[in-house]
Amino acid sequence: GQNIDQPTEMTATEGAIVQINCTYQTSGFNGLFWYQQHAGEAPTFLSYNVLDGLEEKGRFSSFLSRSKGYSYLLLKELQMKDSASYLCAVRSNTGGFKTIFGAGTRLFVKA
Amino acid sequence: DTGVSQNPRHKITKRGQNVTFRCDPISEHNRLYWYRQTLGQGPEFLTYFQNEAQLEKSRLLSDRFSAERPKGSFSTLEIQRTEQGDSAMYLCASSSYPQGRMRNTEAFFGQGTRLTVV
Repeated sequence: GQNIDQPTEMTATEGAIVQINCTYQTSGFNGLFWYQQHAGEAPTFLSYNVLDGLEEKGRFSSFLSRSKGYSYLLLKELQMKDSASYLCAVRSNTGGFKTIFGAGTRLFVKA
Repeated sequence: DTGVSQNPRHKITKRGQNVTFRCDPISEHNRLYWYRQTLGQGPEFLTYFQNEAQLEKSRLLSDRFSAERPKGSFSTLEIQRTEQGDSAMYLCASSSYPQGRMRNTEAFFGQGTRLTVV
């Protein structure tokens, strides 16, 4: 089976940097995704990692270590609009490339 | 293409009634997923299709739930004899089958159908 763990809530200050961690256990790892979800809205894609290392995309970066079953999402220059839930999701090639989501981390950005 | 479309957006039903939701995926996507999400939780996998074939159903999906994708395009999710515990947001997502191991084929989500069973 698959298991994904991430903190339930985090709070950070506008303009700061925040790191949201995700650990996972899965067989047949085939990629890790981060999604952003504002309250009442659908999740939207942020990043994808399949190889070890850091992927940078503007203010957002995502890191993956496959040997440790670990990823993080780094958000820089936080803005109030970044207040949302951040979902870590893992795709496995067992059972045909199914994607399973963690419970999400609710990020509160304060002024 | 306007993205993944779900109908209805909201549904209120009495306990014991049957409900059906529809999802229209992005047209070139051959993968279609159904997830259920409750407040404060991440999307919970229910089932998924590749074209018209249903590849897997979650054990969480009781026999009151059934999903179809008859022509490999739109999909329907039916819940029979609804219970209050079925109240949730039902999300549909579509993606392309990853042709290469390194290929990024993220899922695109619809806005969801919020079901309230009273």
